[in-house]
Amino acid sequence: EVQLVESGGGLVQPGRSLKLSCVASGFTFSNYGMNWIRQAPGKGLEWVAYISSGSSYIYYAETVKGRFTISRDNAKNTLYLQMTSLRSEDTALYYCARRLGADYWGQGVMVTVSS
Amino acid sequence: DVVLTQTPSILSATIGQSVSISCRSSQSLLDSDGNTYLYWFLQRPGQSPQRLIYLVSNLGSGVPNRFSGSGSGTDFTLKISGVEAEDLGVYYCMQATHAYTFGAGTKLELK
Repeated sequence: EVQLVESGGGLVQPGRSLKLSCVASGFTFSNYGMNWIRQAPGKGLEWVAYISSGSSYIYYAETVKGRFTISRDNAKNTLYLQMTSLRSEDTALYYCARRLGADYWGQGVMVTVSS
Repeated sequence: DVVLTQTPSILSATIGQSVSISCRSSQSLLDSDGNTYLYWFLQRPGQSPQRLIYLVSNLGSGVPNRFSGSGSGTDFTLKISGVEAEDLGVYYCMQATHAYTFGAGTKLELK
C-alpha cells in the first residue's frame, strides 16, 4: 500500500524558516517524481514544487521561487521542503503527492505563519 | 501562466442524477510528446484529494466507472453518471503540460 506521511509543520513567525518532510512507503521511491502541493484554509489547491526521481529536474511555483527548496533522499525514502522567509500567505496545509499526475497524496501537514 | 476555468463553481444534484463539470484552459494542453496532461481530483470534506481521472479520460485505480472524462485541446469535461452520496465534495481539474495549475474547484452538493 502506498503511503505518504508528512511532518514538520507548526506555527512559525514571519521571516523565519521551516523544513517539511514526507516519508514514503509501499513503492520504490527512487523511481518516482514527487510534488509539494498546498491548500490555504478554505481555499483551493496550489502546486508548490516538483522534483524528478533523480533530482535532475526541479520546478517551483513563482510564488515560492527563491524562498523554498525541494529536495529528496532516495536512501531514506524521504522528500523535503525547506521553506525560508516565510510569509503569512504561506499559511496552508502542505501535501506531498507522488509523480507528475499526483496519483497518491499524503494526509497533509499544517504550516501557520503568524506573529 | 495557464489558467483553468471550472464551471459551475457550485453544482447541486440529487442522488442518481447525472452531472457534468467543465474545465477550460487558456492554452492548449496538448504536449509536444502527444499527451494531454489533464487530471481530475475529488476532495471530500476533511480528506486529501483523490485522483479520479488521468490524461483526460483514463480512470484512476479503484475509481468507479460512473466517472468519465473527455475533451481535448482547451476544453475538458468530467461526467458523473448517477451521483452517489460519497461523490459529494469539491472537484478540481489540474494541468501539468505547462508547469502545474489547478482549477478553482467545483463544489458538488445535495439538492
